[in-house]
Amino acid sequence: DGGITQSPKYLFRKEGQNVTLSCEQNLNHDAMYWYRQDPGQGLRLIYYSQIVNDFQKGDIAEGYSVSREKKESFPLTVTSAQKNPTAFYLCASSRGQPLPYEQYFGPGTRLTVT
Amino acid sequence: AQSVAQPEDQVNVAEGNPLTVKCTYSVSGNPYLFWYVQYPNRGLQFLLKYITGDNLVKGSYGFEAEFNKSQTSFHLKKPSALVSDSALYFCAVNNAGNMLTFGGGTRLMVKP
Repeated sequence: DGGITQSPKYLFRKEGQNVTLSCEQNLNHDAMYWYRQDPGQGLRLIYYSQIVNDFQKGDIAEGYSVSREKKESFPLTVTSAQKNPTAFYLCASSRGQPLPYEQYFGPGTRLTVT
Repeated sequence: AQSVAQPEDQVNVAEGNPLTVKCTYSVSGNPYLFWYVQYPNRGLQFLLKYITGDNLVKGSYGFEAEFNKSQTSFHLKKPSALVSDSALYFCAVNNAGNMLTFGGGTRLMVKP
């Protein structure tokens, strides 16, 4: 998981509350990503950022928001608009374009909303 | 659009036997292919990638993968499986900047 930290490891929230998941990297990578993983499924891209102060929606951005004010940090907010927020959330980073660099993943945050 | 298929939800193999985890892909243009491994409640770890060149790619922990353009496949292999190889394996493809599309994952169970 080296170089990417996610906190907390487990997070519990009540329905209707917004919650922010932290992601920090010290790899000096330009690009950062947020994925959602549900049991028995692959990873789905929520948001990505190729450079500071810029980010793009992924395949399932509805109900989520992000910011990228610093190169090292890419926090994800799960809003009350997200209909089914309970999942395992993974943050990743990689070197920027143009080459297809591999992504490095953090250890993940398991969010449970009741 | 790009896509990845991992046709087996689970692969069972005895320790010491060779293992293969299958992956097929669909992309327009040149494919860039990756394999990752995930242990329970952990993030994904990069194993290997194919960008160009030799069709047989060697990676971490003794794993290798063979790129086959005509069959649009990128199967993961290891000559001799270990119990500690038991994990969830993901194949991924990239041909649009740094965006990865992941397969659904294959659970590898290696029995002693």
